[in-house]
Amino acid sequence: GQQLNQSPQSMFIQEGEDVSMNCTSSSIFNTWLWYKQDPGEGPVLLIALYKAGELTSNGRLTAQFGITRKDSFLNISASIPSDVGIYFCAGRTQGGSEKLVFGKGTKLTVNP
Amino acid sequence: DVKVTQSSRYLVKRTGEKVFLECVQDMDHENMFWYRQDPGLGLRLIYFSYDVKMKEKGDIPEGYSVSREKKERFSLILESASTNQTSMYLCASTTRGWGAAGYTFGSGTRLTVV
Repeated sequence: GQQLNQSPQSMFIQEGEDVSMNCTSSSIFNTWLWYKQDPGEGPVLLIALYKAGELTSNGRLTAQFGITRKDSFLNISASIPSDVGIYFCAGRTQGGSEKLVFGKGTKLTVNP
Repeated sequence: DVKVTQSSRYLVKRTGEKVFLECVQDMDHENMFWYRQDPGLGLRLIYFSYDVKMKEKGDIPEGYSVSREKKERFSLILESASTNQTSMYLCASTTRGWGAAGYTFGSGTRLTVV
């Protein structure tokens, strides 16, 4: 199936640092989503993006829908210990499929 | 609060057993999905369903089957469990055409096959 290339695979940072992760694809997407999965839980939606170039914030999180429609990034500012988890990007293709395509995730560790 | 509920958080089963993983959603969603999650491999789609009694294979359906007799319930069946099916299983649902919320996930079932 289709794939999203998500990087980095893992990050180890100090509390207070900023974090950036991104997803790229060879296909065009009309929706990009970012999820966070806390340890032992299911993923929870953080931010949804629906238009090319769109920049959306949710507290300390900022995400952008790339202008080419083939990429997206997520930034976390001033990280805190509860930011620990796995972050997934997900996209929906132009064909309007009911299925999401997921990246493999970025595992974030925050050292206090 | 809307919910996707997976019946078990942890399961331990023996090789060869038939295993049922249950998922129930209370949002009247048409679409339901089963994923497995393994370290380094992300979320891989096993099966999905667009409506009652309807099912379609995902990317890794081998060794699994599903049942959707009622709109709110989507069951994943491991016909004869094997050790390579030890994994975290996640159920998700969404309304047809999606809306703004994307998928809603359950909390997962961590299955160990011994």
